[in-house]
Amino acid sequence: AQTVTQSQPEMSVQEAETVTLSCTYDTSESDYYLFWYKQPPSRQMILVIRQEAYKQQNATENRFSVNFQKAAKSFSLKISDSQLGDAAMYFCAYRRWGGATNKLIFGTGTLLAVQP
Amino acid sequence: KAGVTQTPRYLIKTRGQQVTLSCSPISGHRSVSWYQQTPGQGLQFLFEYFSETQRNKGNFPGRFSGRQFSNSRSEMNVSTLELGDSALYLCASSPQGQGISHEQFFGPGTRLTVL
Repeated sequence: AQTVTQSQPEMSVQEAETVTLSCTYDTSESDYYLFWYKQPPSRQMILVIRQEAYKQQNATENRFSVNFQKAAKSFSLKISDSQLGDAAMYFCAYRRWGGATNKLIFGTGTLLAVQP
Repeated sequence: KAGVTQTPRYLIKTRGQQVTLSCSPISGHRSVSWYQQTPGQGLQFLFEYFSETQRNKGNFPGRFSGRQFSNSRSEMNVSTLELGDSALYLCASSPQGQGISHEQFFGPGTRLTVL
């Protein structure tokens, strides 16, 4: 069975600084998707960034980028130039490859605080 | 396009009652998944529907059930409510079959409180 682990329950960053959130996962599959979701206090889950396991290039979305280390089964999220609006709970998630299921397996989350 | 909508947004029930939650996916999305979010257990997968068929189910007791209608709207039902069922229930839809993004779009959730 696949598992996702986020070892940092809480993180804090100064506005305009950079912060990295950690995620490790366990799977025996070679192809899969990895995601970072953001859940602000409003509780609406929002996709931040995605990575297909077959892609060696790390995904980037504006100020958000990932460091995907497939052999180490590590998938960290880097937020550059942190903004107050980045304060939220961040979840790392795993999805099997293919169209048979959309089931996401989530980590326990990291609560990110942004200090002005 | 309108996003995923969930009704009701808040619900208070007492132990032993049953409850039905509704989810309307984004227009054109045929896949709907449900998740339970609690402080203790985190986000847990309940079940997934695609074209009115349940194609995946999480490790929840039979008190939790769901269905999907021909218009892709989905409902989940919890019978004989227990205090531990208090949670935020999230619904997500996906454009399954229409592309390869497989991104899931989440609704705002239904906050269920069991007294």
